[in-house]
Amino acid sequence: GENVEQHPSTLSVQEGDSAVIKCTYSDSASNYFPWYKQELGKRPQLIIDIRSNVGEKKDQRIAVTLNKTAKHFSLHITETQPEDSAVYFCAASGGGNKLVFGAGTILRVKS
Amino acid sequence: NAGVTQTPKFQVLKTGQSMTLQCAQDMNHEYMSWYRQDPGMGLRLIHYSVGAGITDQGEVPNGYNVSRSTTEDFPLRLLSAAPSQTSVYFCATGGQGPDTQYFGPGTRLTVL
Repeated sequence: GENVEQHPSTLSVQEGDSAVIKCTYSDSASNYFPWYKQELGKRPQLIIDIRSNVGEKKDQRIAVTLNKTAKHFSLHITETQPEDSAVYFCAASGGGNKLVFGAGTILRVKS
Repeated sequence: NAGVTQTPKFQVLKTGQSMTLQCAQDMNHEYMSWYRQDPGMGLRLIHYSVGAGITDQGEVPNGYNVSRSTTEDFPLRLLSAAPSQTSVYFCATGGQGPDTQYFGPGTRLTVL
């Protein structure tokens, strides 16, 4: 089945800097790659997603890139702000009906 | 429009007790799923359903049962609670397949 690895496990950046979180997946049939943000004590919320027929997608300060050949995808956050501090999860869904999540990255934005 | 609701928010059980975690949605989504979240392990799929009357196992199904008699409800049953089932449980729904899932607020379960 699908296996998703996420790096780094923790990431500290200065306010205004960029943050990059990377994920690799194992199942070449995976075709949907969402990113979720989870604040302390709250539910995960979708922030951006990308499908396998697209290489990059942007939404304001957030972007996701996908390299299907290498089977990895990344989340890029530019001009980070303190409210970006949270746990970020990547996920991949293969040909079946299962969404497999990475272990998460704790992002700390220092002001 | 409440979205996805879960009850209870908190629960403490003793080893061996059984209970049902409730999940309901008013988004008319076909796909529903249950995840457990443990520190450092992300979200792991327990069971999922692609529509009323259809359920299937996820990554960690042992010790849990589900049923899907209606589109709106997807309860998760713990048959005989064990300390290893201490976790935060999230229900999620999606329009088609696992795409774009919307999570409920979660249930924090402690098994003593």
